[in-house]
Amino acid sequence: KAGVTQTPRYLIKTRGQQVTLSCSPISGHRSVSWYQQTPGQGLQFLFEYFSETQRNKGNFPGRFSGRQFSNSRSEMNVSTLELGDSALYLCASSLELPNTGELFFGEGSRLTVL
Amino acid sequence: TQLLEQSPQFLSIQEGENLTVYCNSSSVFSSLQWYRQEPGEGPVLLVTVVTGGEVKKLKRLTFQFGDARKDSSLHITAAQTGDTGLYLCKGGGADGLTFGKGTHLIIQP
Repeated sequence: KAGVTQTPRYLIKTRGQQVTLSCSPISGHRSVSWYQQTPGQGLQFLFEYFSETQRNKGNFPGRFSGRQFSNSRSEMNVSTLELGDSALYLCASSLELPNTGELFFGEGSRLTVL
Repeated sequence: TQLLEQSPQFLSIQEGENLTVYCNSSSVFSSLQWYRQEPGEGPVLLVTVVTGGEVKKLKRLTFQFGDARKDSSLHITAAQTGDTGLYLCKGGGADGLTFGKGTHLIIQP
């Protein structure tokens, strides 16, 4: 069974630009959640989508947004990039609520903002 | 905001030694999970504990959930080089989920 696929794996942007990251969940998983991982702050929850609806949102500014499509694929967008947005962005899919269910992570998209 | 403190932050030991890492909080969680992340990959679930005082064993790994469901420990017996990685605990409940910052574990041959 195919795992969670994230694209692109690596990207470099400059301050002020925007970026869109994509995540294809495991077949049958309708919950997709996004996380930002940095050495200083660790793994932080961004938001979660289920059946095209955002169910939960972490404590991030409005520059971070996402959406989910009818096939459960999800995208996240970061606008007006800042240097501090450089991080590994991880997507996870799950059968249950991400709060207590098992999360299946992709390999991540590593974003560098110059 | 629920916080999970993991300790130690870094640990480097020789193959064959035993070790324990900790995950502590002032909040009560419905469940606590441990994940291991290797370089270039996403975290992978090791175990889920849901009952206070619960102990689970996975080969050489022993996981314990505190009686009050606020803390957890992971003990590794006779560590192997393949145990090297970032160990993350994740607490979850009705209020949401939170990850600890992780313990970077290096097992030297």
